[in-house]
This record gives sequence, C-alpha cells and structure tokens, in this order.
Amino acid sequence: AQTVTQSQPEMSVQEAETVTLSCTYDTSESDYYLFWYKQPPSRQMILVIRQEAYKQQNATENRFSVNFQKAAKSFSLKISDSQLGDAAMYFCAYRDTTSGTYKYIFGTGTRLKVLA
Amino acid sequence: DSGVTQTPKHLITATGQRVTLRCSPRSGDLSVYWYQQSLDQGLQFLIQYYNGEERAKGNILERFSAQQFPDLHSELNLSSLELGDSALYFCASSVGTGVSYEQYFGPGTRLTVT
Repeated sequence: AQTVTQSQPEMSVQEAETVTLSCTYDTSESDYYLFWYKQPPSRQMILVIRQEAYKQQNATENRFSVNFQKAAKSFSLKISDSQLGDAAMYFCAYRDTTSGTYKYIFGTGTRLKVLA
Repeated sequence: DSGVTQTPKHLITATGQRVTLRCSPRSGDLSVYWYQQSLDQGLQFLIQYYNGEERAKGNILERFSAQQFPDLHSELNLSSLELGDSALYFCASSVGTGVSYEQYFGPGTRLTVT
C-alpha cells in the first residue's frame, strides 16, 4: 500500500529566509501525482503545488518549489522569502491511482512557524 | 473559494446521536470524496462516489454511510456517535476519476461530539 511520511512535525523559519519541508512516499506505481497542501488556522485546504511523476522538471509556483527525486521517492517543498502568512500546517499528498480510486493519501503534516 | 460547499460549518452533538453532513460539488464535477481529519492528524480517506455510484471505500466505520444524489450533492451520515468521531470532515470534488483530475476541497464541517 502507498504511504506518505513527513518526518518533521514542526519547523521554524525567520521571515525572509528559506525553509525546506521533507516528504517521502512509497509506491510501486510509475505514474502518479504528488501535492503539497497548506492548511492555515482557518482549516481550509489550499493547494500549494503539484508534481506529475513523469515530468522530470521540478514544479515551481512563485516562492514555492519542489525537489522531486523519483528514484529516492522524495518530494520536498522549498519556501523562499518566507512570509508571516506562510505559517500553517503543510501536508504532502500522493494521489493513489490503484483500483481506479484516485483518492489522496496524506502525510501527518508539518507545522511551519514563521518568526518575525 | 474552491466552489465546493459544505454545510453545516460546525456541528455539536451528543454521544449516541446521528448527524448528516452535506456537500455540494463544483459545477460539473461528478466525483465526490469524503475525508476525516482528527485533531492534528492528516486527512484520512473515507469514501468516494462517482456520478451517483459508490466507487471506493477507505477506513470508513460501519456506523458511517454516504450517498450521492441525482443532482450530484452528497451526504455523509454518521450514527451512534462516539467522542472519537469528533473531527473535521472534508468533502472534495473532481471532474472525473482519472489520474490527472485534481480534487478541490470544501471548507470542511467541524463535528464536536460531547
């Protein structure tokens, strides 16, 4: 079964600095999608970035970028020029393509604190 | 705003009771997913419907059930509630069930069982 692991329960970063959140996953599939979601105190799930496994180029969205290492099954999120509004829980997710389900499998999350 | 609506926003009820959570997917989306997020945990997949038919089940308790109606809205029914059922329940929708179809999450319903 596919699994997603986020080994950092909490991270802190100074405002304007860069931080990297780690995520590893396990799958036997070759074609899949990976996502990072942000969950602020409002609890809304906000899509930050997504990566298609067959694309070797790392996805980038403004200050957010990923380091996707398919062979190592690693999918880390880098936040550059951190802002106070980036403080939130961040969840890594894998889209399960087995059995035609396409459900998301989430990690346990990393709480990011941004220090002024 | 994702376009997915969930009602109610908050629900407080007692143990042993039954509640119904409602989800309206984005216009045109045929697939609905339900997830449960317990305190400080990741989201856990419960069940998926596609165009009115149950497509997949996850870690859904027998006390829980769901359905998707002809107008594509979905309801999650939770019965014989226990304290441990207190959680945030999310609904997500997507156009279809293919690997490239992204899921859009609603704002969630916070259930508190006392």
